[in-house]
This record gives sequence, C-alpha cells and structure tokens, in this order.
Amino acid sequence: DAGITQSPRHKVTETGTPVTLRCHQTENHRYMYWYRQDPGHGLRLIHYSYGVKDTDKGEVSDGYSVSRSKTEDFLLTLESATSSQTSVYFCAIRPGDNYEQYFGPGTRLTVT
Amino acid sequence: AQTVTQSQPEMSVQEAETVTLSCTYDTSESNYYLFWYKQPPSRQMILVIRQEAYKQQNATENRFSVNFQKAAKSFSLKISDSQLGDTAMYFCAFMKHITGGGNKLTFGTGTQLKVEL
Repeated sequence: DAGITQSPRHKVTETGTPVTLRCHQTENHRYMYWYRQDPGHGLRLIHYSYGVKDTDKGEVSDGYSVSRSKTEDFLLTLESATSSQTSVYFCAIRPGDNYEQYFGPGTRLTVT
Repeated sequence: AQTVTQSQPEMSVQEAETVTLSCTYDTSESNYYLFWYKQPPSRQMILVIRQEAYKQQNATENRFSVNFQKAAKSFSLKISDSQLGDTAMYFCAFMKHITGGGNKLTFGTGTQLKVEL
C-alpha cells in the first residue's frame, strides 16, 4: 500500500459537464502523475507534477488540466467532458530515487 | 519516442508450471529502466520487478525473473511455479532516465495471463 487514494472511484457524467478527480497521498512525495488506461493502449501519461504548483504535460494532455496546491493532493480536471474521455484514470507517485512508480486504485469515468 | 511491444495478447499456463511473457522496446537512449506491472481483476496496478539498463545482471523477485537482452532490446518476464493468484494482465513499461520529474512510463498493451488448474 503506497498510501494513495483516489476519489471518486466511479463516476458517470454527461457530455459537456466539468469533472474533477482527486488523488491524495499520505507521505509527501514530490512527484505525482495522472495516467489513463484504455483498451489497446496500455496506460498513457496525461500530466505530472514535480512539486506544489509545478506541473507539466504528458502525451495525452488535450482536454485536461491539473492543479497541485498542496503536496498531498493532485487534481485532474476535465473542463468539458467528452465521450472520448471515458476511461480508467490512475494516479501514481514516485517515492524516491529508484524511479519506481506506485499506483492508486483507479477511477472509472463514464461520459454519456 | 519510445515504443513498447507485447506481442502476446493472451497466454495460459498450468498451475505450478513456468511461463515466459515477451516484451520488446525501441529506444535510442542508453540509460533507462524497464518494469513489469501486474493488474489483477481488482484493477490495481502492482509493480512486479524493475531492471536498470546499466545492470547486466537480470533482476529477480521470488518467483519472478527477467531476461534482459539490451542489444536485442528485449525484456521478458519468467514466472516460475505459477499460482492461481498470478492470473492477471501483465504490462511491460519503459522509462527514460531523466533527472527530475519528467520520468514518464511508456507501457505496452499488455498480456492477459490465465493460470489454470
């Protein structure tokens, strides 16, 4: 257990509505990541953070924004959800210098 | 850009037998890390094993070991004494070594392993 929680765990929303997913860690790790998992694609990086207020884009960042105002929380926002954003979203943390990443339990998001 | 290929979408093995999952990758980098993750039906992503590219010795974690062939860009996972609890999707992943936070994982598409009685 890497001390990572994600909320909500499941969400159904309508096209065009804003959605925010939360990742919370208990151990003050500096690096946090958001990935999405889709069939046939494995996991792909959306955004990552290397400290409070320090974030950068990953390979599939269009349509997503992130914020990190506290070390323990990393928020992923879909400003106007689309059906193509139906996916399972994983948060990850990188605890140390061995470059391993540990994942939260995931959030299943369905956009109808 | 790096790519990771897992050419076996599905595999099955009898309990207590040994199975090998294949992974190849393409990169021009010389310093990187390779990982295998397991995703059981619970959906949780679990780190199984890590290999540093600069290390010639293959990594081992209990019943899990890798065969790392750097020149061939191959990174296979061997599971010995397979157990029912090993039934899961297995993902191979690549990470370029970068000082700082931009260490993204590039994943393959996964191999679904089923362990049968």
